[in-house]
Amino acid sequence: EAGVAQSPRYKIIEKRQSVAFWCNPISGHATLYWYQQILGQGPKLLIQFQNNGVVDDSQLPKDRFSAERLKGVDSTLKIQPAKLEDSAVYLCASSLINRGKTGVYEQYFGPGTRLTVT
Amino acid sequence: RKEVEQDPGPFNVPEGATVAFNCTYSNSASQSFFWYRQDCRKEPKLLMSVYSSGNEDGRFTAQLNRASQYISLLIRDSKLSDSATYLCVVNRGATNKLIFGTGTLLAVQP
Repeated sequence: EAGVAQSPRYKIIEKRQSVAFWCNPISGHATLYWYQQILGQGPKLLIQFQNNGVVDDSQLPKDRFSAERLKGVDSTLKIQPAKLEDSAVYLCASSLINRGKTGVYEQYFGPGTRLTVT
Repeated sequence: RKEVEQDPGPFNVPEGATVAFNCTYSNSASQSFFWYRQDCRKEPKLLMSVYSSGNEDGRFTAQLNRASQYISLLIRDSKLSDSATYLCVVNRGATNKLIFGTGTLLAVQP
């Protein structure tokens, strides 16, 4: 079974530029998550989609970050304009909508996009 | 105060050693608990879920103490391949939102 796909894997931009990341979840996974992982920290949820609707975007800096999942499958995360503190790995994850046999929703992570803002 | 707190380490242990990681969480409404493993420059992967009754998977044992809001992970007979960052993770419930600790770095030495 194919995993979560993300592109690009690496991106270097200057501050005030814009950047977009793409994610394709595991087939059949209705829930998609974008996380930001700053060096030395654990991942922090930015936004969660269920199908094409937003479930939680409470930690998304909406003045500069936006995300969409128009057809309920793949998703894009955009930063415009970027700041130095946006340098991080952006992880996409997906999960089933129903609880698995263990009673929990296991989230599967993609390889991430490493963003460096100079 | 962070919602999930872990000692960042690093924990440097020799092969064959037993090592224990601890984690505390502040939100008593948390419903599910996990340990994830993250290798250097890789994505996090689920290691195991954590239950009040305790659960074991080979050399790994996880324990939850809801009264103390405390989670632990014990690794016996450490292998070089166990070297990674171990992330303590709490699920608040209905929306499946995961809250990650900063992770504990384990380095197993030959």
